[in-house]
Amino acid sequence: SQKIEQNSEALNIQEGKTATLTCNYTNYSPAYLQWYRQDPGRGPVFLLLIRENEKEKRKERLKVTFDTTLKQSLFHITASQPADSATYLCARGNNAGNMLTFGGGTRLMVKP
Amino acid sequence: DTAVSQTPKYLVTQMGNDKSIKCEQNLGHDTMYWYKQDSKKFLKIMFSYNNKELIINETVPNRFSPKSPDKAHLNLHINSLELGDSAVYFCASSRGEDTDTQYFGPGTRLTVL
Repeated sequence: SQKIEQNSEALNIQEGKTATLTCNYTNYSPAYLQWYRQDPGRGPVFLLLIRENEKEKRKERLKVTFDTTLKQSLFHITASQPADSATYLCARGNNAGNMLTFGGGTRLMVKP
Repeated sequence: DTAVSQTPKYLVTQMGNDKSIKCEQNLGHDTMYWYKQDSKKFLKIMFSYNNKELIINETVPNRFSPKSPDKAHLNLHINSLELGDSAVYFCASSRGEDTDTQYFGPGTRLTVL
């Protein structure tokens, strides 16, 4: 079965540092991975998508990498701020591209 | 101008009851979904509809019955509620294209007593 795992349940960092979150998948490489942000009491919000043939994608202070050898995606937030505190979810698509399987999420806490 | 809306936001009910959660999207999307997020925060897909037709049913008990009167609405009806049904239920929509991102509603917290 296609699994996707986010190893850290929680990550605490100091404001201004770079947060790095890890997402690992099993079996074949998905065509793409997506990253979402979820705040307490709210639905997930899409942040970034990276395709299998892309090594890296950036959006403002966010950067995502896709390593098909390690079967891993890394999600970086540079110059982190307390407002970045949230749960971050990674998700992989299925073969047909019509279904996402989500990881368990990593709760990021950025301390001032 | 809410993109994906759900009602109610909170639902508290007794075991054995039947309840419904409504979802509407105004994004013009063709595909809608229901997800369940349990107490451990795992977000798991339940159903997916494309243009009012069921395309994914992920091993969900048949007490759960989705209904899509039109492509902007996907309601979830749950019969004979059980304690284990307590969770947050999210509706989402997408254009239905490959790699498509999903837009989630605010969630409905269901508590079964």
